[in-house]
Amino acid sequence: DAGVTQSPTHLIKTRGQQVTLRCSPKSGHDTVSWYQQALGQGPQFIFQYYEEEERQRGNFPDRFSGHQFPNYSSELNVNALLLGDSALYLCASSLESGSWDTQYFGPGTRLTVL
Amino acid sequence: QKEVEQDPGPLSVPEGAIVSLNCTYSNSAFQYFMWYRQYSRKGPELLMYTYSSGNKEDGRFTAQVDKSSKYISLFIRDSQPSDSATYLCASSRDSWGKLQFGAGTQVVVTP
Repeated sequence: DAGVTQSPTHLIKTRGQQVTLRCSPKSGHDTVSWYQQALGQGPQFIFQYYEEEERQRGNFPDRFSGHQFPNYSSELNVNALLLGDSALYLCASSLESGSWDTQYFGPGTRLTVL
Repeated sequence: QKEVEQDPGPLSVPEGAIVSLNCTYSNSAFQYFMWYRQYSRKGPELLMYTYSSGNKEDGRFTAQVDKSSKYISLFIRDSQPSDSATYLCASSRDSWGKLQFGAGTQVVVTP
């Protein structure tokens, strides 16, 4: 079992550009959450997807959008990048029927905005 | 005010000592409490998970939740250099959805 995988590992973009990050959940998991972790801070919840729908959203602007595919994989899209979007973006997968001990985090994608 | 507050450290202890980590939270609706360990440039890994108040022990790790004072703790006994990492507390109102994290405490265990 490969666990939660994310791609790419690292990404460098310039202000104003758009970026797409990808996440493959742990085998058998049906729910995907995305978090943003700035340097020296704890992760901040962006949103959660279940059954291809955004189920809950954190305090992030509409520039942050996502998608979940029928195979439960997910994408995070960020438009009009700002310097402050530089962070580690974490994907976590879980079972909708489970609790917090079924949630696993991926290794993250480190985004640098210049 | 952040919903979960955590001292960022760093906290340096000698090998074999007890590591004591604490968080406070402000949302009375929180029912689920977690501790994660995060190594540099890695994703968080769940260490302990507690529902409501009480203590939970797993090997060298003990988690405590006191809902009356909104205080959560993690103790690591017989600390090892491999325990050097950032420890994140997290809380949630529900069994799904948004996890509210603290800022993380960096722990360094010196041989």
